[in-house]
Amino acid sequence: GDQVEQSPSALSLHEGTGSALRCNFTTTMRAVQWFRKNSRGSLINLFYLASGTKENGRLKSAFDSKERYSTLHIRDAQLEDSGTYFCAAEDHNRIFFGDGTQLVVKP
Amino acid sequence: DAGVTQTPRHEVAEKGQTIILKCEPVSGHNDLFWYRQTKIQGLELLSYFRSKSLMEDGGAFKDRFKAEMLNSSFSTLKIQPTEPKDSAVYLCASSSGGDGQLYFGEGSKLTVL
Repeated sequence: GDQVEQSPSALSLHEGTGSALRCNFTTTMRAVQWFRKNSRGSLINLFYLASGTKENGRLKSAFDSKERYSTLHIRDAQLEDSGTYFCAAEDHNRIFFGDGTQLVVKP
Repeated sequence: DAGVTQTPRHEVAEKGQTIILKCEPVSGHNDLFWYRQTKIQGLELLSYFRSKSLMEDGGAFKDRFKAEMLNSSFSTLKIQPTEPKDSAVYLCASSSGGDGQLYFGEGSKLTVL
């Protein structure tokens, strides 16, 4: 969307490596969520942040409202991490989605 | 290019009323999704259509929620009867299929009094 720029749009990783996804915002956002879409269409919530960083297993996310960005780091990528990842940022009234990153993890 | 269009943007309903939310997907997209966004649950899948056929109906939402896709360019989500706990933002998204990117509408914010 116009308010959220997500990059990269596509990413290929070898098993065991890592990388970062990023969302830049055109305005100050109150909070950000990161999701992964499963094969049945559900969006699985990975992180919800109003500030700072959160870590869960091989995933780590950071949100800087002042600098207007959020990141999702994946380390030690596994084949099952393949899928489409989205960020969604909210101001006080609306939710804005990034266009997604299609991640492919290769053996 | 037109993205996903949702109407209305805001809806206020009394408990027990019937409300209908509308969605026009991106032209040419085969997959259409309805989600509900709440602070507590995050994003929950309500319905998923592929080429107008219902693929997922979101289990727990069956009894009062009904999504329909009358043609490839229009879908509705009916909530009947509404309850205060239905207050949320309802999002529609479309995709070209497979693991393609999701394109989201701006959402319909529902408040049930």
